[in-house]
Amino acid sequence: NAGVTQTPKFQVLKTGQSMTLQCAQDMNHEYMSWYRQDPGMGLRLIHYSVGAGITDQGEVPNGYNVSRSTTEDFPLRLLSAAPSQTSVYFCASSSGTPLYEQYFGPGTRLTVT
Amino acid sequence: AQKVTQAQTEISVVEKEDVTLDCVYETRDTTYYLFWYKQPPSGELVFLIRRNSFDEQNEISGRYSWNFQKSTSSFNFTITASQVVDSAVYFCALSLLSYNNNDMRFGAGTRLTVKP
Repeated sequence: NAGVTQTPKFQVLKTGQSMTLQCAQDMNHEYMSWYRQDPGMGLRLIHYSVGAGITDQGEVPNGYNVSRSTTEDFPLRLLSAAPSQTSVYFCASSSGTPLYEQYFGPGTRLTVT
Repeated sequence: AQKVTQAQTEISVVEKEDVTLDCVYETRDTTYYLFWYKQPPSGELVFLIRRNSFDEQNEISGRYSWNFQKSTSSFNFTITASQVVDSAVYFCALSLLSYNNNDMRFGAGTRLTVKP
């Protein structure tokens, strides 16, 4: 099993550009989530999904969109990148809700100039 | 709203010392779960423990132990006889479950450096 994979590992964007961060898991987990990690702020939940076709907002959803068309994939879209979105992004999955252990991907380091 | 506070931003110890990482949480819910995750220098987060709000028993796993006290809303983590490999950022997290709230809140993390 590859676990949770994320692509790309690094990305530089210019303000206003759009892009999609990819996340995939091969553990047949229903729950998937996206976090951003900023210095001194820990991880903050952006969006999450409790199953295919179901998504909901987390703590900091503005500027991001998600969709969940399959159990395996949970892409995160930045519609118009802003410098405030410079961060490290982590995708995670869990067999249940967050009440269970979450498995994290290796992260994507995004810089918006 | 729920909140997790890890007041210790950075801790530095010498190998074989014991060290305690503090975690204080806030929530109005009576049913919740608390977690600790480790983020080593490689960057990936690793699950350490989960504890539900109805189980206040302390837990020990090798050199790691956790002390959960509802009276003080704390869930502290102790590493006994620390080793260089314990150097990492440690996150405490709180998860609630209600009909329309299914998210998790992390503390800011404590960076532990264990020197040889």
